[in-house]
Amino acid sequence: AQSVTQLGSHVSVSEGALVLLRCNYSSSVPPYLFWYVQYPNQGLQLLLKYTTGATLVKGINGFEAEFKKSETSFHLTKPSAHMSDAAEYFCAVSSGGGFKTIFGAGTRLFVKA
Amino acid sequence: EAGVAQSPRYKIIEKRQSVAFWCNPISGHATLYWYQQILGQGPKLLIQFQNNGVVDDSQLPKDRFSAERLKGVDSTLKIQPAKLEDSAVYLCASSLGLDNYNEQFFGPGTRLTVL
Repeated sequence: AQSVTQLGSHVSVSEGALVLLRCNYSSSVPPYLFWYVQYPNQGLQLLLKYTTGATLVKGINGFEAEFKKSETSFHLTKPSAHMSDAAEYFCAVSSGGGFKTIFGAGTRLFVKA
Repeated sequence: EAGVAQSPRYKIIEKRQSVAFWCNPISGHATLYWYQQILGQGPKLLIQFQNNGVVDDSQLPKDRFSAERLKGVDSTLKIQPAKLEDSAVYLCASSLGLDNYNEQFFGPGTRLTVL
């Protein structure tokens, strides 16, 4: 079985501050991990993904995430927040062998001027 | 490249009525997904198609929900009869193949309100 936990349903940061969105997963097999972003009234858009290889993954819009197997985590970071980063962010886990993609409950990011 | 198209964008119905949603995936994408996203929650997979065959419908409430992808391209999701708890955004997504490491491309969703 697989599951995803996103810590904090809401995160607020000031413009220019570090963004850290937390994601922990549970998987009985090597996972594929994803971060998606959802802007109001739009569908989800892939930010980045980890499948195999390098554990530090860089995505679009300056975001990156690090796969830490020992901590079962895949936290999303961005060094400097921009107003346009305000959105909802979803962490997801999947794997081979017929496992469906499981999404976390989401974290809404607010960026203050 | 055109994205995933969905219609309608919004729908309001009364309980016990029926409703249908339509999805046209990105051209060439073999895999199509329907998700239910309840307010405050992440998307939950309802059904997954590979071409015109069902891969996973384990979380589809089959007593009231049905979906088809007859020609392996566009798809419809139907609810009959609707219940209050069906109020949600219904997202359609597509990907190139069945492998779960593939990126899923999402449509804008249909927001359903059941009164």
